[in-house]
Amino acid sequence: GENVEQHPSTLSVQEGDSAVIKCTYSDSASNYFPWYKQELGKGPQLIIDIRSNVGEKKDQRIAVTLNKTAKHFSLHITETQPEDSAVYFCAALSQAGTALIFGKGTTLSVSS
Amino acid sequence: DVKVTQSSRYLVKRTGEKVFLECVQDMDHENMFWYRQDPGLGLRLIYFSYDVKMKEKGDIPEGYSVSREKKERFSLILESASTNQTSMYLCASSFTGVAGYTFGSGTRLTVV
Repeated sequence: GENVEQHPSTLSVQEGDSAVIKCTYSDSASNYFPWYKQELGKGPQLIIDIRSNVGEKKDQRIAVTLNKTAKHFSLHITETQPEDSAVYFCAALSQAGTALIFGKGTTLSVSS
Repeated sequence: DVKVTQSSRYLVKRTGEKVFLECVQDMDHENMFWYRQDPGLGLRLIYFSYDVKMKEKGDIPEGYSVSREKKERFSLILESASTNQTSMYLCASSFTGVAGYTFGSGTRLTVV
């Protein structure tokens, strides 16, 4: 089945810097790639997603890029702020197209 | 906004007990999912359901079962709780296939 690898597991940046989190997936048939943010004590929340017919998508300070040939996608956060500190998960649609398979998560810490 | 409510935030159970984790969503979503979240392992899919009385195994179904008697409610059952089932359990629902999951806040289960 689908396998999603996520790197790095932890990331520390200074406020105002950019942060990049990368994921690779195994199933070339996967066509939907969301990113979730989980704050302490809360469930994950969808922040941005991308479909396979698109190479890049932006939403204010957040962007996601997709390289289908290489089977990897990345989350880019610019001008980071302390409130961006959280655990971020990437995901891909499973081989059977039935449920999302998640990466292991990246703990992002933004220090002011 | 869609709301996914998990009945308990924290739960402590004894080894061998039968445990029920309840999840209710209020937006008429057809699709519901149960994941468990463990440090360093990310979110792993236990079971999911695309319709009432329908269930599908995820990646780690052993030791669990589910029940979906009504569209809005999806229950996770630990038939005989064991200490290795100590974890954070997250319920999610979605309307259009897997796009746009909404998660509950989670139930932190401790089995002693």
